[in-house]
Amino acid sequence: EVRLVESGGGLVRTGGSLRLSCTTSGFSFNTFWMSWIRQAPGKGLEWVANIKRDSTEKYYADSVEGRFTISRDNAKNSVYLQIDGLRADDTAVYYCARGSGSGYFYWGRGTLVTVSS
Amino acid sequence: IQLTQSPSPLSASVGDRVTITCQASQDISQSLNWYQQKPGEAPKLLIFDASNLETGVPSTFSGSGSGTHFTFTISRLQPEDFATYYCQQYDTAPYTFGQGTKLDFK
Repeated sequence: EVRLVESGGGLVRTGGSLRLSCTTSGFSFNTFWMSWIRQAPGKGLEWVANIKRDSTEKYYADSVEGRFTISRDNAKNSVYLQIDGLRADDTAVYYCARGSGSGYFYWGRGTLVTVSS
Repeated sequence: IQLTQSPSPLSASVGDRVTITCQASQDISQSLNWYQQKPGEAPKLLIFDASNLETGVPSTFSGSGSGTHFTFTISRLQPEDFATYYCQQYDTAPYTFGQGTKLDFK
């Protein structure tokens, strides 16, 4: 059974940092791109970033470029999202999903990040 | 690449046929997916590559289009179909979602 479990969310002050984790199981992690997608409360989905199998390619949404860093550890079957310089509009549920973007079939349940001053 | 969905929102009744359109700001070939999301849940992939039905998805759902204009149709609405629907392009990174279409009861 494919599982993706996000963690690391919480309440953070404006300007602070967080590292989100997504731990996976049930598939060969090192053969798949991985992605992060977020959803602000009551709003739509926003694609955030993705990372290639061997970490040689990474892409970011314009809104997070320079503040967010996606990484992965294939030995731990995990993908991470380092978020720096948090702003109020970064408040969202952050989902990890399997794949580069050509059809996200597997998603985690998400982790909530709340940014407050 | 910007994706614009219409209408938003959309009111309909059980048994209705509904269509949602997704307009891309540039040619994305057929690199488009459609998702359904219900409150408190992660999105569910329904259609990939513009017109291919994901395994296990009812045949009442369909998608078509290429280039910049895409359509998503539910041929006969069931009670469980009332949800929010999103298109998503993967032609060019950064990938993007449409703003969503909330389908609610008329």
